[in-house]
Amino acid sequence: GQNIDQPTEMTATEGAIVQINCTYQTSGFNGLFWYQQHAGEAPTFLSYNVLDGLEEKGRFSSFLSRSKGYSYLLLKELQMKDSASYLCAVKDSNYQLIWGAGTKLIIKP
Amino acid sequence: DAGITQSPRYKITETGRQVTLMCHQTWSHSYMFWYRQDLGHGLRLIYYSAAADITDKGEVPDGYVVSRSKTENFPLTLESATRSQTSVYFCASSELEDGYSPLHFGNGTRLTVT
Repeated sequence: GQNIDQPTEMTATEGAIVQINCTYQTSGFNGLFWYQQHAGEAPTFLSYNVLDGLEEKGRFSSFLSRSKGYSYLLLKELQMKDSASYLCAVKDSNYQLIWGAGTKLIIKP
Repeated sequence: DAGITQSPRYKITETGRQVTLMCHQTWSHSYMFWYRQDLGHGLRLIYYSAAADITDKGEVPDGYVVSRSKTENFPLTLESATRSQTSVYFCASSELEDGYSPLHFGNGTRLTVT
């Protein structure tokens, strides 16, 4: 079956750096997405990786290793507003999105 | 304003009732999706549509019906609501089906079935 694994919850300190990991096993691969979802709100698109390597976008970076079925989202200079759930999703060979259950990130002052 | 809107935001209904959740997008995106989100689960696809009059089942379609007579609207109907359908429902759209085409989500409908 197809599967996306990410930690259920992480805690970090304001101003610090945190890495949220995602491992996947899917039928084919057509890209990996990260979404941010604040409590009670809709998911919003953060990043997309289809080739191996690091994609940087301001304080957020996303890394992909297709051979290892692994990605991470790196958040730098953490702010209180970064408290949210982070969802990892992979597009399989049929372009269907397979979603992880999400990682709830708690930022402490 | 361009965007994707869902209504209602909150709905309480009784077991056995029919309820319809509305979704409207102004981008003219071809693809539209209905997801449900429950604690401990990832987003689960209920139905999706590639264009007007073209719909297909997702992972959890049982108990739901969709239609898409116009590109901009994609209503989801629960024919006879059950308590297990208590959930948060998200409608989403995307321009294309290819690799890079992020989903744009509506604000969700929180449905409670009593």
